[in-house]
Amino acid sequence: DGGITQSPKYLFRKEGQNVTLSCEQNLNHDAMYWYRQDPGQGLRLIYYSQIVNDFQKGDIAEGYSVSREKKESFPLTVTSAQKNPTAFYLCASSIQEFGVYEQFFGPGTRLTVL
Amino acid sequence: AQSVAQPEDQVNVAEGNPLTVKCTYSVSGNPYLFWYVQYPNRGLQFLLKYITGDNLVKGSYGFEAEFNKSQTSFHLKKPSALVSDSALYFCAVREPTGAGSYQLTFGKGTKLSVIP
Repeated sequence: DGGITQSPKYLFRKEGQNVTLSCEQNLNHDAMYWYRQDPGQGLRLIYYSQIVNDFQKGDIAEGYSVSREKKESFPLTVTSAQKNPTAFYLCASSIQEFGVYEQFFGPGTRLTVL
Repeated sequence: AQSVAQPEDQVNVAEGNPLTVKCTYSVSGNPYLFWYVQYPNRGLQFLLKYITGDNLVKGSYGFEAEFNKSQTSFHLKKPSALVSDSALYFCAVREPTGAGSYQLTFGKGTKLSVIP
């Protein structure tokens, strides 16, 4: 069953803790993305990666970090520097050739800071 | 920068009636436009895209979208709404990030409610 998996589905964090959200894809896509979704604000890009061992900041990268050591994995760490981390986090992947371009999304992780 | 706007936060339509969810875009060059749907606490599902060609694009679940260059619009439509179409709908535009790579920039979303 091909697709994108995210874990955990729900995550609770105490203030001052770092947490890592998992994103795995078996679609053989080169590009992967992390978005944050808040009510009424749509999706905002946190980080993206076009190839292994390379990634770029999106619009709201402050307080977040990522790694891309394997093509199929793109974990996101929410650090204690992120002032308002409670949100729904979505991971996506895509190929950007052959006229495809659309992104495929995982089911999301809802992070709540207690 | 490329952008899309969804002027309506919420759209209500009666079951069986036609539905329209509006999207306007602002791009330099040719637009690559997308529609996605999101059900509660789920990821986004791709519905359809416009790259080039026919202005009427057909997608999943009976949805279609009309690309209008003169009005810079890409409205999502369905001839007969179902209660199960109730969801959050996002319009998006492809935006270059440099060195041949791209990202999607999303609108803020429109909540569609289909009333039985």
